[in-house]
Amino acid sequence: DARVTQTPRHKVTEMGQEVTMRCQPILGHNTVFWYRQTMMQGLELLAYFRNRAPLDDSGMPKDRFSAEMPDATLATLKIQPSEPRDSAVYFCASGPGQGDGYTFGSGTRLTVV
Amino acid sequence: QKEVEQNSGPLSVPEGAIASLNCTYSDRGSQSFFWYRQYSGKSPELIMSIYSNGDKEDGRFTAQLNKASQYVSLLIRDSQPSDSATYLCAVDSPFSGGYNKLIFGAGTRLAVHP
Repeated sequence: DARVTQTPRHKVTEMGQEVTMRCQPILGHNTVFWYRQTMMQGLELLAYFRNRAPLDDSGMPKDRFSAEMPDATLATLKIQPSEPRDSAVYFCASGPGQGDGYTFGSGTRLTVV
Repeated sequence: QKEVEQNSGPLSVPEGAIASLNCTYSDRGSQSFFWYRQYSGKSPELIMSIYSNGDKEDGRFTAQLNKASQYVSLLIRDSQPSDSATYLCAVDSPFSGGYNKLIFGAGTRLAVHP
């Protein structure tokens, strides 16, 4: 089965450190989302790419978060500097296009201490 | 007002009963609607998609859509303990440039007890 691959699965880091999360979308999918999930907020949309172009990152704290898609096989989400309130599960999801279903990766569980 | 609203539950049903999960959305321009199931500690898994008014059945699952009322529902027949999970409603919400973005509700926790 085709799958969305996220690395790392778990990350524990100290406050102030840089964190980079990676996502390999399903081959041929041209839409990539980054979500953050917490118990309090549920699934929050952070960033959205279509054909590698960023369409929306209004959900991201701009001063510390950045998202890029350097090529069709890799999307990255970076936090610098990280803070304890960034602790959450970060999911990447990809899809073949508008109106179709999207497949989620296994997520990166981030803990900032 | 949140864009996609769900009752957080928990919704508790006995094994074999019908579980009914509901969702409302705010953007009338939305065209695609999805139900995801998420087990504790796992990622969301797409179980149903629906695009036009009416019912869509897939095994024990039936999705219902009423665009006039901006309402989506998921029925699970013959509920099993393995159906115990959080069910997330997601809506493809119109965005600038003719694109849509996928917005999720907070999810409804379903507990099926033997």
